[in-house]
Amino acid sequence: EIVMTQSPATLSVSPGERATLSCRASQSISRNLAWYQQKPGQAPRLLIYGASTRATGIPARFSGSGSGTEFTLTISSLQSEDFAVYYCQQYSNWPPVYTFGQGTKLEIK
Amino acid sequence: QVHLVQSGAEVKKPGASVKVSCKASGYTFISYYMHWVRQAPGQGLEWMGIINPSGGSTTYAQKFQGRVTMTRDTSTSTVYMELSSLRSEDTAVYYCARDGSSSGVGAFDIWGQGTMVTVSS
Repeated sequence: EIVMTQSPATLSVSPGERATLSCRASQSISRNLAWYQQKPGQAPRLLIYGASTRATGIPARFSGSGSGTEFTLTISSLQSEDFAVYYCQQYSNWPPVYTFGQGTKLEIK
Repeated sequence: QVHLVQSGAEVKKPGASVKVSCKASGYTFISYYMHWVRQAPGQGLEWMGIINPSGGSTTYAQKFQGRVTMTRDTSTSTVYMELSSLRSEDTAVYYCARDGSSSGVGAFDIWGQGTMVTVSS
């Protein structure tokens, strides 16, 4: 089973600054990686798929990069609504077994 | 507009079963696979399984095999997730989520609002 490891567990950043979140896969997943944002009491929302493609309606300040085992989500200038928990997820296997990272909580500094 | 609307909260006793529904609208139901994901209180996301609404084929996470059953009703564009032999550790919010890829190997682009299932004696 592919294990997804996110770092850091918590990230404290001031509004307007850049945030960089990391995700590592235990084996190569090519670019079959997604990022989700989840706010308290809400369902997750898809931000990025294919490691770097923004989902519909996602602002350009969100960007994804990486391939193989190392991936990054960057939020270029944090807005108040961006403070949330972020999960990465791999979807590379067939038969399908999808796994999520444990999440990174992005909090206001 | 694409929507997934789930059934309401449930409270069950240990050993019982629960069946959660997820009604899709705004797209061709049989064209997209559907997943179920759960989230225990204060915890992360856990994938449970996938169903192909077209033929009804399923794949379950190993952890849930033998306890979970996913079905669909194409006449009402609804998928169901039934979890049996409930225990307290199954207390969680259960989400349905559409796979954005027609092949069933893609990111989850649309999510239901979640259904809280509480298991308590």
